[in-house]
Amino acid sequence: QVQVVQSGAEVKKPGASVKVSCKASGYDFTDYAIHWVRRAPGQWLEWMGWINPDNGKTKFSPKFQGRVSITSDTSASAVFLEVHSLRSEDTALYFCARDAHNSFVQSYGMGVWGQGTSVTVSS
Amino acid sequence: ETTLTQSPPFMSATPGDSVTISCRAGRDLDDDVNWYQQKTGEAPVLIVRDATTRVPGIPPRFSGSGYGGDFTLTIYNIESADAAYYFCLQHDNFPLTFGQGTKVEIK
Repeated sequence: QVQVVQSGAEVKKPGASVKVSCKASGYDFTDYAIHWVRRAPGQWLEWMGWINPDNGKTKFSPKFQGRVSITSDTSASAVFLEVHSLRSEDTALYFCARDAHNSFVQSYGMGVWGQGTSVTVSS
Repeated sequence: ETTLTQSPPFMSATPGDSVTISCRAGRDLDDDVNWYQQKTGEAPVLIVRDATTRVPGIPPRFSGSGYGGDFTLTIYNIESADAAYYFCLQHDNFPLTFGQGTKVEIK
């Protein structure tokens, strides 16, 4: 069945970078966009960006543009989120999710979600 | 950025009740709103897509309605298994945005 499985929890110091992976299975990896979403403590969900895994094209929320990168490795059926210059406000649960439809022209929202990866930023 | 105002933030229901969650947008979204359920410690699950289409495998007691700027998720004859956090998402325009969520408790 369709699954996206994320890497494990991370603890980082302020100013460092973190890279979280999301491995897809059960479908043709290049047919669906992958989103990254996060939820910080006491906050609601924030959409960070998405990637077309086939050609690597990305789109980001203005809030994260320039500080976040999303890449894909088609040979591994994996997508990666990297957040740079971490600060305490980046402490959050990060989710990847496959789009609900195989279109890269517009999003149909998140279909299948990963289990979430906890990232803690603390000195 | 499109603001989604979801209400109420919390509700407590008795098994058999019907509950309604609202999601209001600051602009016309056509039917580009999804609803999700997230139980404690689990990944979110898509339950209604495009405002009214229930996802296969989701019980018929879950019903989505609305178009344009006002959307509603109704859970009929609520069960203890429905205790969860529910949230809406707009996918009409980028950046995608979420409602603040509703925690549903079953007495």
